Amino acid sequence: DTAVSQTPKYLVTQMGNDKSIKCEQNLGHDTMYWYKQDSKKFLKIMFSYNNKELIINETVPNRFSPKSPDKAHLNLHINSLELGDSAVYFCASSQGGLGSDEQYFGPGTRLTVT
Amino acid sequence: AQTVTQSQPEMSVQEAETVTLSCTYDTSESDYYLFWYKQPPSRQMILVIRQEAYKQQNATENRFSVNFQKAAKSFSLKISDSQLGDAAMYFCAYRSHRFTGTASKLTFGTGTRLQVTL
Repeated sequence: DTAVSQTPKYLVTQMGNDKSIKCEQNLGHDTMYWYKQDSKKFLKIMFSYNNKELIINETVPNRFSPKSPDKAHLNLHINSLELGDSAVYFCASSQGGLGSDEQYFGPGTRLTVT
Repeated sequence: AQTVTQSQPEMSVQEAETVTLSCTYDTSESDYYLFWYKQPPSRQMILVIRQEAYKQQNATENRFSVNFQKAAKSFSLKISDSQLGDAAMYFCAYRSHRFTGTASKLTFGTGTRLQVTL
């Protein structure tokens, strides 16, 4: 059973479209995250939710909106896609928000905007 | 804000040899966690090893060990008896100990691509 799953794994779309990436974890964790890995492989936090409450919101364009319907799911919706949004997006989860809580990563979603 | 620096964009090692990947970080905190993650071509992020800053003893996991120098803010990863399957991107990461609204995130370095040759 996959611990942290993301759908889709690959997403190719045109500029201006709206798309969503879904994430689900079956670990019973309270905290979930979205990270973005750019073309130079740099990984950076975007958002984090703890028990459905937004606790981290880095400097991300407001075209990106996370939604957590329950603590096992954290979806990422992106409006008006731009070329610069092309990246790999990783979902992760951890038991809590403590530094000692290991973060488990999903397989990533490669988004390509043409 | 914390920063993590990996000064080696690429490294190469021969199979069965030992290689050390460097990482330095900057923080004003005294209690934190440091991690090394491996990202193979499959792009899955895999935790290799972690170190608690309050522990003086260096962490080890089989062929992987770290050299943690808190005063120097240095956290290098040593891979012994390198195997072809070790070829990957390796990321050093920092995480604060305290849980606050912004403490739970991982801050990553820019990564080191490790090649393993026969």
